[in-house]
Amino acid sequence: ETGVTQSPTHLIKTRGQQVTLRCSSQSGHNTVSWYQQALGQGPQFIFQYYREEENGRGNFPPRFSGLQFPNYSSELNVNALELDDSALYLCASSLGGGLTQYFGPGTRLTVL
Amino acid sequence: QQQVKQSPQSLIVQKGGISIINCAYENTAFDYFPWYQQFPGKGPALLIAIRPDVSEKKEGRFTISFNKSAKQFSLHIMDSQPGDSATYFCAASMAMGGATNKLIFGTGTLLAVQP
Repeated sequence: ETGVTQSPTHLIKTRGQQVTLRCSSQSGHNTVSWYQQALGQGPQFIFQYYREEENGRGNFPPRFSGLQFPNYSSELNVNALELDDSALYLCASSLGGGLTQYFGPGTRLTVL
Repeated sequence: QQQVKQSPQSLIVQKGGISIINCAYENTAFDYFPWYQQFPGKGPALLIAIRPDVSEKKEGRFTISFNKSAKQFSLHIMDSQPGDSATYFCAASMAMGGATNKLIFGTGTLLAVQP
């Protein structure tokens, strides 16, 4: 059974640029959630995708958007990057209807 | 009302001792309470979880105690080992409709187990 994988591991961007982060869910999991974890903080829920549709969103602006593909992998896109977007971005997968979310290793984004 | 409050912020325990981390919540809509362990540079890993209809759950050296009336839950790590040194997050799950839910995390507890 393959766990949740994310790419890239690290990324450096400048203010105003756009970034795409990728996530492959655990085998058999059809739900993907994205979280932002600032340094020294707990993860904050960004949004969740279930069967290729956004199904729930946290308190994040529209410049945070996502996609889920038929194989359940997912992308997180962030436009017009700001310095405060620097964080560890975590992807978690689960089976729709299941409560347990399994996290990937994260992508460390630094915005200069 | 969607917050989960976690304490202490940091904890130092001697090897073999008991580590105790506490969390409190307000929203009674929460229906699932997991604990995650996170090592530096890694994603959170599920440690143990409990539903509100159970007062205690034990898995190996890890025990969750749950007090529904007080809206509090805690993680006990028995016989703490240096390898347990990590950041621990409590969380609460809230249904968003359909088959999905989101996790609300506490602020984390940095545990250091001294040899």
